[in-house]
Amino acid sequence: NAGVMQNPRHLVRRRGQEARLRCSPMKGHSHVYWYRQLPEEGLKFMVYLQKENIIDESGMPKERFSAEFPKEGPSILRIQQVVRGDSAAYFCASSPRLVLAKNIQYFGAGTRLSVL
Amino acid sequence: AQKITQTQPGMFVQEKEAVTLDCTYDTSDQSYGLFWYKQPSSGEMIFLIYQGSYDEQNATEGRYSLNFQKARKSANLVISASQLGDSAMYFCAALTQGGSEKLVFGKGTKLTVNP
Repeated sequence: NAGVMQNPRHLVRRRGQEARLRCSPMKGHSHVYWYRQLPEEGLKFMVYLQKENIIDESGMPKERFSAEFPKEGPSILRIQQVVRGDSAAYFCASSPRLVLAKNIQYFGAGTRLSVL
Repeated sequence: AQKITQTQPGMFVQEKEAVTLDCTYDTSDQSYGLFWYKQPSSGEMIFLIYQGSYDEQNATEGRYSLNFQKARKSANLVISASQLGDSAMYFCAALTQGGSEKLVFGKGTKLTVNP
């Protein structure tokens, strides 16, 4: 059973370009979460999605950031017009259908975004 | 809202000894989950152990155990018989069950295991 797959592992963008980060959840998992980790910090929640639905986007910056989890294919975190402050590690996690609320989130290896 | 405090930025332990990493949480919720994750230098986040707020017994997973003291709102991770490969960042996290499913993380503790 493959784990959470994120690609690319490393992404370099110049200021003003777009960054697209992909996440394929574990097989059988229908819940996807995105987190951001700044250097020397813990992870900060960004968005929680189920297939074709955004459930909670309270951690997403209001502008330039968007996320989707289509019926087919991976979840995508899109950052438009990147700025240097967007440089961070972006982690995707997935969990199975919730059972008695024991919601263990399994993480991918992350995408390290560097903005030049 | 949840808040997680990890007061030890760094910890050192000798190989084969046990070590305790501290975690306190602040919540008014009745039902919640507590988690520990390991982040080695390679960067991935590895799930270690889970404790539910209604679980009466402390969780254990191999060499990892969670010392859950509900009244003190603490959820310390105990690693027994430390190995060199245990050197990593360790993050405590909490999740409110039945509400938003987001994990709230502490700032982490960097554990170094010395030979």
